Amino acid sequence: DTGVSQNPRHKITKRGQNVTFRCDPISEHNRLYWYRQTLGQGPEFLTYFQNEAQLEKSRLLSDRFSAERPKGSFSTLEIQRTEQGDSAMYLCASSPLGRNTGELFFGEGSRLTVL
Amino acid sequence: GEDVEQSLFLSVREGDSSVINCTYTDSSSTYLYWYKQEPGAGLQLLTYIFSNMDMKQDQRLTVLLNKKDKHLSLRIADTQTGDSAIYFCAVGDSNYQLIWGAGTKLIIKP
Repeated sequence: DTGVSQNPRHKITKRGQNVTFRCDPISEHNRLYWYRQTLGQGPEFLTYFQNEAQLEKSRLLSDRFSAERPKGSFSTLEIQRTEQGDSAMYLCASSPLGRNTGELFFGEGSRLTVL
Repeated sequence: GEDVEQSLFLSVREGDSSVINCTYTDSSSTYLYWYKQEPGAGLQLLTYIFSNMDMKQDQRLTVLLNKKDKHLSLRIADTQTGDSAIYFCAVGDSNYQLIWGAGTKLIIKP
């Protein structure tokens, strides 16, 4: 396994369109996280899953944002009716249960540009 | 809200020590991390310290924690060109709901 994989790496869309990003975590990792990172800032937590259960979603930015992890493996993050302010890097991370350092393993991110 | 502050840039000469500083406001922070981000690569955990520790050393890296002043520092000894990256301080009371600094870009001069 080569790590956390995110697709697409870059998405350009027009305002009002829907976009979906996919994250494939490291295979034995139970936990999966989504973050947003804007230019010159650190990551901002959005939501997280333990297996297929979404345990925290109150930090999703609006009801236009939704995430799923239907079989406890890959996850998707969907943004409906995109706005220019949604332009950012969307990061996915995963971690195993029981790792006491709390280390998160990040993918390379999916960059969204909304025109 | 809670905040984490870092200087945006640090420039050091190759072979010197680099010290990257971070201050935070949440006194309940249990997890304190340093992540590294290289161009075109994902964030990678560099080192960490828990709030019940004052110092941690790992090869060329030394992390110091001053809980009273809510100050965290990362020292990189014998800085090399491969250390060029953005270094993020991240703190929180869980390992995922962290508050992240804006990152310090480490620039190495020959």
